[in-house]
Amino acid sequence: DAGVTQSPTHLIKTRGQQVTLRCSPKSGHDTVSWYQQALGQGPQFIFQYYEEEERQRGNFPDRFSGHQFPNYSSELNVNALLLGDSALYLCASSRHYSTVSNQPQHFGDGTRLSIL
Amino acid sequence: GENVEQHPSTLSVQEGDSAVIKCTYSDSASNYFPWYKQELGKGPQLIIDIRSNVGEKKDQRIAVTLNKTAKHFSLHITETQPEDSAVYFCAARDTGRRALTFGSGTRLQVQP
Repeated sequence: DAGVTQSPTHLIKTRGQQVTLRCSPKSGHDTVSWYQQALGQGPQFIFQYYEEEERQRGNFPDRFSGHQFPNYSSELNVNALLLGDSALYLCASSRHYSTVSNQPQHFGDGTRLSIL
Repeated sequence: GENVEQHPSTLSVQEGDSAVIKCTYSDSASNYFPWYKQELGKGPQLIIDIRSNVGEKKDQRIAVTLNKTAKHFSLHITETQPEDSAVYFCAARDTGRRALTFGSGTRLQVQP
């Protein structure tokens, strides 16, 4: 049973460019959340998708956008990249809380994004 | 919003000793508290979680305690082994919010 998979594992971009990161959730999961983890810090919530809609958003600018597909996979898009966007981007999947409350979130190994 | 504080930031123990990591949270509505272990180059791995209707939960060498009145929860690892060396994160969430709020992490080093 495959866990959460993310691609690519590493990515190098320059300031001003745009990037798309991808996530496939764990089998049986329908909800995908994205987190940003700066070096030496805990993950910070970006947003969560369920039924192809953004359900909750953290304190991130609208340069960060996302999408969820009918097969529950998801993409994170970041426009106009800044040096401060350099981080590990983590995807977490779970079953929706409306199905079973307080479902645990399972994380992928992330995409390491470096901005030059 | 929720704020989670975690201590200590680094912890070094001898193999076989116990390790304790403590977290406090600010939102009394939080009712779900997971702990994650993150190894170098990997994503966070869920190791144990506790819900607010219980005060303690154990899984082999790992235990978590929750004090709702004081709004703090702790991770206890007994008989530590070198493979326990990693960064540990606590987190909190309430039913109405979908996001986990994480602490800043504890780097645990188990000396053989």
